[in-house]
Amino acid sequence: QVQLQESGPGLVRPSETLSLTCTVSGASISSYYWTWVRQPAGKGLEWIGRVYSGGATDYNPSLKNRLTMSIDTSKNQFSLKLSSVTAADTAVYYCARGSTTWGFVYWGQGTLVTVSS
Amino acid sequence: DIQMTQSPSSLSASVGDRVTITCRASQGIRNYLAWYQQKPGQVPKLLIYTASTLQSGVPSRFSGSGSGTDFTLTISSLQPEDVATYYCQKCDSAPLTFGGGTKVEIK
Repeated sequence: QVQLQESGPGLVRPSETLSLTCTVSGASISSYYWTWVRQPAGKGLEWIGRVYSGGATDYNPSLKNRLTMSIDTSKNQFSLKLSSVTAADTAVYYCARGSTTWGFVYWGQGTLVTVSS
Repeated sequence: DIQMTQSPSSLSASVGDRVTITCRASQGIRNYLAWYQQKPGQVPKLLIYTASTLQSGVPSRFSGSGSGTDFTLTISSLQPEDVATYYCQKCDSAPLTFGGGTKVEIK
């Protein structure tokens, strides 16, 4: 069974960098693409970006200037870094496995990141 | 970038009612559309992919249709456990935009 687990600080100071890691078990990270989605409290889902096993990335245009995603196939992990955060970046962050055909079948449980001083 | 517009943003229906949610893409996306269900406090769950293919384990009262720019999600007979917010998402190319969501409640 494919499982994903987000990890990282739950509190980030304004203007600093939000860093999250997603650890994948039950499947090789060398297939499909791997993606991040966030959801502010009481609001809808926002696609953040994706990374392929070879390292290629696609980002949400609204975030691309602050966003870096990477993948470590040796650890079966992929990561997200979002710089210069503000309160507007406070959200539950989900990692997921993606496919053009199937969408996002497998999701992590989500991790709440709060941006506050 | 292609925008995804869902309607209505919320609806209230009785148990047993037929419910239809619409998703419109600002440009054609062929059939690369997924539907998700998110119950309160839970992780989104894939219901339908490629516009009309039911994900394994999803009840047959859910169905999807459409191609190009116009898509629908139908619940043939609404059940209490279907109370949730439903999202469409384009899956063809980045950005993989979600619709704004449709909140379904029981009347």
